[in-house]
Amino acid sequence: QVQLQESGPGLVKPSETLSLTCTVSGGSISSYYWSWIRQPPGKGLEWIGYIYYSGSTNYNPSLKSRVTISVDTSKNQFSLKLSSVTAADTAVYYCARINLVVVVAATEYYFDYWGQGTLVTVSS
Amino acid sequence: SSELTQDPAVSVALGQTVRITCQGDSLRSYYASWYQQKPGQAPVLVIYGKNNRPSGIPDRFSGSSSGNTASLTITGAQAEDEADYYCNSRDSSGNHLGWVFGGGTKLTVL
Repeated sequence: QVQLQESGPGLVKPSETLSLTCTVSGGSISSYYWSWIRQPPGKGLEWIGYIYYSGSTNYNPSLKSRVTISVDTSKNQFSLKLSSVTAADTAVYYCARINLVVVVAATEYYFDYWGQGTLVTVSS
Repeated sequence: SSELTQDPAVSVALGQTVRITCQGDSLRSYYASWYQQKPGQAPVLVIYGKNNRPSGIPDRFSGSSSGNTASLTITGAQAEDEADYYCNSRDSSGNHLGWVFGGGTKLTVL
């Protein structure tokens, strides 16, 4: 059974960089896409970005200038850095695995395993 | 980027059938996946692809799609189905992989 666990500081000061790591256990990080998703208190889910185990990435256009996602296959981990944070970045941050299924010659993706989430508060 | 629109809240009587919908242009090209989220918990995948349920998800959950609308149907809703439900699909607005979530629907089981 694949398990994901987020780790990192729960409190970050405004203008600083938020850094989180997701550790994958029960399976290899190889051959999959991995993602970060966040949820501000009382609000909906927002996709932040993904990384393929080979290192290719893509980010939500609304966050692209501030986001970096990296992978360390030797540690079975991937990480998120979000720079110049403000109070609007206060949220529960989830890491998730992206899986896929082929439907009538098209590839459909979905988030099949999620971490428990970690609350990051931006405050001085 | 693409947008997905969901009704903020839906209610259903215990044992009845409820449909939760999700609208967006990306759904003309891609199927939606659906996630159930209970308070204080991480989202859980309930439907993916054309109409697939992960292991452990009851068969009262089903998915369908028509045009720009995807639907999650719960046939015979149970008290434990009370939760927030989110749809998700690929973002069809760019050339690279990206995803978008709907705003979520709060389901109340009466």
